[in-house]
Amino acid sequence: SAVISQKPSRDICQRGTSLTIQCQVDSQVTMMFWYRQQPGQSLTLIATANQGSEATYESGFVIDKFPISRPNLTFSTLTVSNMSPEDSSIYLCSVEAGYSGNTIYFGEGSWLTVV
Amino acid sequence: AQSVAQPEDQVNVAEGNPLTVKCTYSVSGNPYLFWYVQYPNRGLQFLLKYITGDNLVKGSYGFEAEFNKSQTSFHLKKPSALVSDSALYFCAVRDSRGREYGNKLVFGAGTILRVKS
Repeated sequence: SAVISQKPSRDICQRGTSLTIQCQVDSQVTMMFWYRQQPGQSLTLIATANQGSEATYESGFVIDKFPISRPNLTFSTLTVSNMSPEDSSIYLCSVEAGYSGNTIYFGEGSWLTVV
Repeated sequence: AQSVAQPEDQVNVAEGNPLTVKCTYSVSGNPYLFWYVQYPNRGLQFLLKYITGDNLVKGSYGFEAEFNKSQTSFHLKKPSALVSDSALYFCAVRDSRGREYGNKLVFGAGTILRVKS
């Protein structure tokens, strides 16, 4: 499986600020996704990060709040903008590769607390 | 749109006993089904999947799951539970028909497994 590295692993952020999370994969992957896991909750897909074009957002998520970049096949960033305490969550990068047989693998997540 | 139900918030089992974590799904096309495990303060680890073929699939750490199309179920099982199996388990489904049908991975609410010694 792909090795997925996320930075930062944890952070405490002030409300009103923005934070960018980086996701680096050790091999080229076909698809990259960003998920959110709110405290005590399941995972919700934020968006699919498309290489070289705008991300595809799920219902309830907008580009102004969660801008995403994917400049190449191994790297993506998610920015959480103008944060409020409700944005306190785990943000997980996930990938699917051609060799992974439809399996999506996850990074360790970025644990954000907004105060 | 696809959906997953995990009817039990928590499953308690004694070490050495068999365990079952239940999952039912709904999807328009044929399902791709997955189980993931999340240990405290960790990300998600892939356990096993059903794509096609044999209805009984085996995965990591001695876990297995059985795909039952008529009951739309994909229950996770292990013959003998270990205390170290205690974690949060997620079932997930994708539509096999591809991106044009929204083949995102949709998760159930999760089931906490507690194995007591």
